[in-house]
Amino acid sequence: QSALTQPPSASGSPGQSVTISCTGTSSDVGGYNYVSWYQQHPGKAPKLMIYEVNKRPSGVPDRFSGSKSGNTASLTVSGLQADDEADYYCSSYAGSIFYIFGTGTKVTVL
Amino acid sequence: QVQLQESGPGLVKPSETLSLTCTVSGGSFSGDYWSWIRQPPGRGLEWIGFIYYTGSTNYNPSLKSRVTISVDTSKNQFTLMLSSVTAADTAVYYCARTLPMVRGRAFDYWGQGNLVTVSS
Repeated sequence: QSALTQPPSASGSPGQSVTISCTGTSSDVGGYNYVSWYQQHPGKAPKLMIYEVNKRPSGVPDRFSGSKSGNTASLTVSGLQADDEADYYCSSYAGSIFYIFGTGTKVTVL
Repeated sequence: QVQLQESGPGLVKPSETLSLTCTVSGGSFSGDYWSWIRQPPGRGLEWIGFIYYTGSTNYNPSLKSRVTISVDTSKNQFTLMLSSVTAADTAVYYCARTLPMVRGRAFDYWGQGNLVTVSS
C-alpha cells in the first residue's frame, strides 16, 4: 500500500495560515475517520497534533485544526509562529489493523 | 505522563537480526497497544507493527515475513526483532503508544528514537 500523498513543502508569514493536504484512497483516508497529524522538529520524535480527523489532544493550541473531504484530509495552522516550522505527517488507519503515513510536508515560516 | 525509551545496538551487520527494546514508564502498560515505527534518514515514517499487552500482534504486510514483536509485561517492555536486514533497513526506530479504536487509532506517546545503521 502506497504512502499518503502530501505536498513536499508549504510556507507562510508569521500570523498567516497554511493548509496541508493529505490524499489517500477510499481504503484509508476516505474509508475511516481515523486520520491523525504529527509535527516533527529536526532530530526529534513526532508529536501528535490532531486525531480522529479534527480532535486536538490536551495541550495542542487551537491554532491547529483538521478536516476531511472524501479521500483528502487537511491540516490548517492558523496564526503561524516561528516554532510551527517543522515537518508534518498525516496518518490514516487503513483497515485490517494497518496504519499508513503520508509523505511529509516541510512547513517554513517566512 | 507516559514515557517510552528505546534501547539496543546502533549498528547491525547485513543479513543479521536487528533487536530493539522499548521500556514504558509513568503509566499503565497493560490495557494498551504498543507500536514500532521507523524513519529512514531524510525520509518519511513507516509503521512496522504493534502488540497488545496480551501478546496479540499485527504487522505491516510489507515487513511481516521478517518482523516479530514480543512483550514482557513484568518489565513493561516490548521488543522488535527484524531479521535478514539490509541497508534499506537503516532508520531511526521509534516505539509509540497506539490508541485503540474507541480512543482514535493514533500514536500519542513516542520514544526519542534509536538510530540503527545496517553496515558491515
